[in-house]
Amino acid sequence: QKEVEQDPGPLSVPEGAIVSLNCTYSNSAFQYFMWYRQYSRKGPELLMYTYSSGNKEDGRFTAQVDKSSKYISLFIRDSQPSDSATYLCAMITGGGADGLTFGKGTHLIIQP
Amino acid sequence: DTAVSQTPKYLVTQMGNDKSIKCEQNLGHDTMYWYKQDSKKFLKIMFSYNNKELIINETVPNRFSPKSPDKAHLNLHINSLELGDSAVYFCASSHGGETQYFGPGTRLLVL
Repeated sequence: QKEVEQDPGPLSVPEGAIVSLNCTYSNSAFQYFMWYRQYSRKGPELLMYTYSSGNKEDGRFTAQVDKSSKYISLFIRDSQPSDSATYLCAMITGGGADGLTFGKGTHLIIQP
Repeated sequence: DTAVSQTPKYLVTQMGNDKSIKCEQNLGHDTMYWYKQDSKKFLKIMFSYNNKELIINETVPNRFSPKSPDKAHLNLHINSLELGDSAVYFCASSHGGETQYFGPGTRLLVL
């Protein structure tokens, strides 16, 4: 079983739709959860960062963490064609110099 | 005012050669990382440096060696390049560990 599971897609939705992206994980020691957006041939860009369980909202983006189910989500409201990218979930056990453990990324396509 | 920068952007070389990739961050962070993204887009940690000390080495072949001349720079030296080393290499930095900021990547192609 991989540490972090993420459906690679592609996920294609019409402009204006609500997008739901998800990851599951197996390591209960993960405490910090991130979502990165990666455009083609670019570096990952940090979108959202959440500590432990709960919700966090930033503009059109909402991140949810359910540690009891080992399940994290990213919701995008009023999706735009510019949101088309690969979305990577990432997690880490604690501070210091640990490396992030990534999912394989979901390729999202927003149709105009 | 790029936060994390890498050079070169592209690197094409022959098998057996030795090459280096440079990374610089101007965020004042104390920890820097190297990640490898393979052809299937999977990102995996290779190394991290905290205060000029190597913290993690995730089963990476010893042909790969990170070098940090100071807190703002972390270079990656690769000896005796192999076909399987072809990938995109990303540098990242953080202060505290959780929020890591990535560079634009270096695309390495070994022929």
